[in-house]
Amino acid sequence: NAGVTQTPKFQVLKTGQSMTLQCAQDMNHEYMSWYRQDPGMGLRLIHYSVGAGITDQGEVPNGYNVSRSTTEDFPLRLLSAAPSQTSVYFCASSLRDALLPLHFGNGTRLTVT
Amino acid sequence: AQSVTQLGSHVSVSEGALVLLRCNYSSSVPPYLFWYVQYPNQGLQLLLKYTSAATLVKGINGFEAEFKKSETSFHLTKPSAHMSDAAEYFCAVSGGSGGSNYKLTFGKGTLLTVNP
Repeated sequence: NAGVTQTPKFQVLKTGQSMTLQCAQDMNHEYMSWYRQDPGMGLRLIHYSVGAGITDQGEVPNGYNVSRSTTEDFPLRLLSAAPSQTSVYFCASSLRDALLPLHFGNGTRLTVT
Repeated sequence: AQSVTQLGSHVSVSEGALVLLRCNYSSSVPPYLFWYVQYPNQGLQLLLKYTSAATLVKGINGFEAEFKKSETSFHLTKPSAHMSDAAEYFCAVSGGSGGSNYKLTFGKGTLLTVNP
């Protein structure tokens, strides 16, 4: 039982490049979410999903796309990276919603130059 | 919209001393409130949560928090700090705009340092 797995752990991009941050969970959780963590800002919700085929926006969705084709996977796509997207990204999941304990991955540290 | 304010970005205590981390919330609906902890280079994990069943909530690792509606507070305490408690602590409230059960709004975090 691996829990929530995020890949890669570290990534450096140039402005304008695209990439996908991967998130997978093996707990059969319906709810999955992406947060970004910036110093002094806490965590801010980017997008979330309540099941396969269902996604919605969080607090800071601009510049990010998501899809949920399976229960297990919830990738986050940056179509054209900007320096403002330099951050640590966390994926989190729970059985049903954000009121249940969220299980977090160990994060992806992204630097955009 | 729901929000939380954590008073003090950095708290330093001696080992064995009382730990008090402050959180005040703003919510237009009865809130669910949470404390999460983040150890270095890890994701967050849930310490405890308030769901209106009891105002004093006990969590893991000896932490507890008291919900005070009149003060709109949900402060986290531990009677005796241990070196292993050194971490960053986040208070969170359910909702976001519209009071959704699918959104948590986190505070900016309080870094707890424990001195030997």
